Amino acid sequence: DVKVTQSSRYLVKRTGEKVFLECVQDMDHENMFWYRQDPGLGLRLIYFSYDVKMKEKGDIPEGYSVSREKKERFSLILESASTNQTSMYLCASSLGDGGTDTQYFGPGTRLTVL
Amino acid sequence: GNSVTQMEGPVTLSEEAFLTINCTYTATGYPSLFWYVQYPGEGLQLLLKATKADDKGSNKGFEATYRKETTSFHLEKGSVQVSDSAVYFCALSEWNFNKFYFGSGTKLNVKP
Repeated sequence: DVKVTQSSRYLVKRTGEKVFLECVQDMDHENMFWYRQDPGLGLRLIYFSYDVKMKEKGDIPEGYSVSREKKERFSLILESASTNQTSMYLCASSLGDGGTDTQYFGPGTRLTVL
Repeated sequence: GNSVTQMEGPVTLSEEAFLTINCTYTATGYPSLFWYVQYPGEGLQLLLKATKADDKGSNKGFEATYRKETTSFHLEKGSVQVSDSAVYFCALSEWNFNKFYFGSGTKLNVKP
């Protein structure tokens, strides 16, 4: 079974802090994704990566950056956390075989910025 | 552009009732369609998928048929259980694209 793990289930940070969210997958997947999930808005794509050191902006990249130094690990960085970044963050990975690709999700990190 | 629209919830049903959650999509190419389920406190899990028109995806008693003529992928189950209580997301992915487009989710509450 594919396993996607996220470093924390719950995180509380203060405004202005630099925040790192880590995601690791164990199935040698090419693609990795970061979403945020908010009530009534569903999932919105922040960034995705289709290869090591490659990244592309999603629909809401402002205020975020990412890093993918190794194939299995994809980090989401909030350079200076703000209260409007309080949300559930979901990481996903997929094999990378095109349109029939299934995304596999981690359990999520619920981030609260005070 | 690509988008997915699903019925707003919450949907509340009694155990053994019939379930339909509507999903329609807009796509510029030839998408694959998915239903994901999110149980409380967990991430999303793939429930079923269909990759071309008229395909039927099925899993755990849930079914959805890819209808190109109506651009729909409605989720159905003949007899829901309390354990089906969750949030259901419809999604599409276009061929050779890595991006997924998710609907806003429909919360299902099943009462004993």
